Amino acid sequence: EAQVTQNPRYLITVTGKKLTVTCSQNMNHEYMSWYRQDPGLGLRQIYYSMNVEVTDKGDVPEGYKVSRKEKRNFPLILESPSPNQTSLYFCASSFGYSGGTGELFFGEGSRLTVL
Amino acid sequence: GDSVTQMEGPVTLSEEAFLTINCTYTATGYPSLFWYVQYPGEGLQLLLKATKADDKGSNKGFEATYRKETTSFHLEKGSVQVSDSAVYFCALSDRGGGADGLTFGKGTHLIIQP
Repeated sequence: EAQVTQNPRYLITVTGKKLTVTCSQNMNHEYMSWYRQDPGLGLRQIYYSMNVEVTDKGDVPEGYKVSRKEKRNFPLILESPSPNQTSLYFCASSFGYSGGTGELFFGEGSRLTVL
Repeated sequence: GDSVTQMEGPVTLSEEAFLTINCTYTATGYPSLFWYVQYPGEGLQLLLKATKADDKGSNKGFEATYRKETTSFHLEKGSVQVSDSAVYFCALSDRGGGADGLTFGKGTHLIIQP
């Protein structure tokens, strides 16, 4: 089954404790992206990757890191989480420029709470 | 830069009512337009799309027409069901129809009452 898988789905942590949210897709997509969703602000892009070893900042990259060492994986790293990073996070992927229907496929979301 | 504006809601309707969710956009060039839907507890999924002016996208009884003259892409459904309760996002891409770099509206929360 074609899917984007994120883990963990739910996490409560404390300020300053490094954490990683993993994202994996099984569709051989070139493009992957991270979003955060907050009430009243909608979806905002954090980072994106056009292909392996190619990443770029989105609209709200501060406090986050990403890496793209393999095509299928795109982890989101919070080196020193703060309470303002409490949010619902989505990973997404697509074929990008190389073709496909232009559809972005989303994971089920990871709800993060930073105390 | 590109932007998408849509009513935020919540929009509350009775079952079988007619639905319109307005969406207008600002973009350079000729973007592709999308509606995504987010059901409770799930990620977003594509509902429909249109890639050029006057195109009509349709799926699951929902329709939207790409209106270049009014820079709009309003979502409509003739008779809504309780199962349509969700958050609906209008989005655009100016990357030649690709899903890269989508710009999303803030989402419209739709509640359908039996």
